Amino acid sequence: NAGVTQTPKFQVLKTGQSMTLQCAQDMNHEYMSWYRQDPGMGLRLIHYSVGAGITDQGEVPNGYNVSRSTTEDFPLRLLSAAPSQTSVYFCATLREPYEQYFGPGTRLTVT
Amino acid sequence: GEDVEQSLFLSVREGDSSVINCTYTDSSSTYLYWYKQEPGAGLQLLTYIFSNMDMKQDQRLTVLLNKKDKHLSLRIADTQTGDSAIYFCAENNQGGKLIFGQGTELSVKP
Repeated sequence: NAGVTQTPKFQVLKTGQSMTLQCAQDMNHEYMSWYRQDPGMGLRLIHYSVGAGITDQGEVPNGYNVSRSTTEDFPLRLLSAAPSQTSVYFCATLREPYEQYFGPGTRLTVT
Repeated sequence: GEDVEQSLFLSVREGDSSVINCTYTDSSSTYLYWYKQEPGAGLQLLTYIFSNMDMKQDQRLTVLLNKKDKHLSLRIADTQTGDSAIYFCAENNQGGKLIFGQGTELSVKP
């Protein structure tokens, strides 16, 4: 049981490039979410999904797209990276009613 | 809107108690959490408290909740150097959507 896995662990992009951050879970949790962590600001919710085929926006969704075609996977897409998207990204799942499991994070730098 | 506030830094000596404080604004929060983050790692759920409780104890950890003042605290007894980390308070009122504080960096000096 691997829990929540994220790839890659580190990534450097140039402004304007696109990429997908991968998140996978093997716990059969319906709820998944993406957060970004910036110094002094805690974690902020980007997008979330309550089940396959259903996604919704969080607090800071601009510049990011998501889809949820399976229960296991919840990729986060950056269509045109900007320096303001330099951050650490965490994927999380929820075991109802209260316990969230976080992945190890992806550290993204946009130059 | 919803907001969670924490002080940014706390320094204690090994063996002392640490108290990390948090205030929140959403009175409809169902659960309140404390997470620990060690350098370069993800978030580890330390403990949580349901909104109809006012205290929860779990080994060295004590969580106090004052709903009237919307104040949450985490007390770590006999603090060890391994407790050095960033501690995040978070509230939950809608399924898995968590609102996090900025994090309190705890430094434990030998």
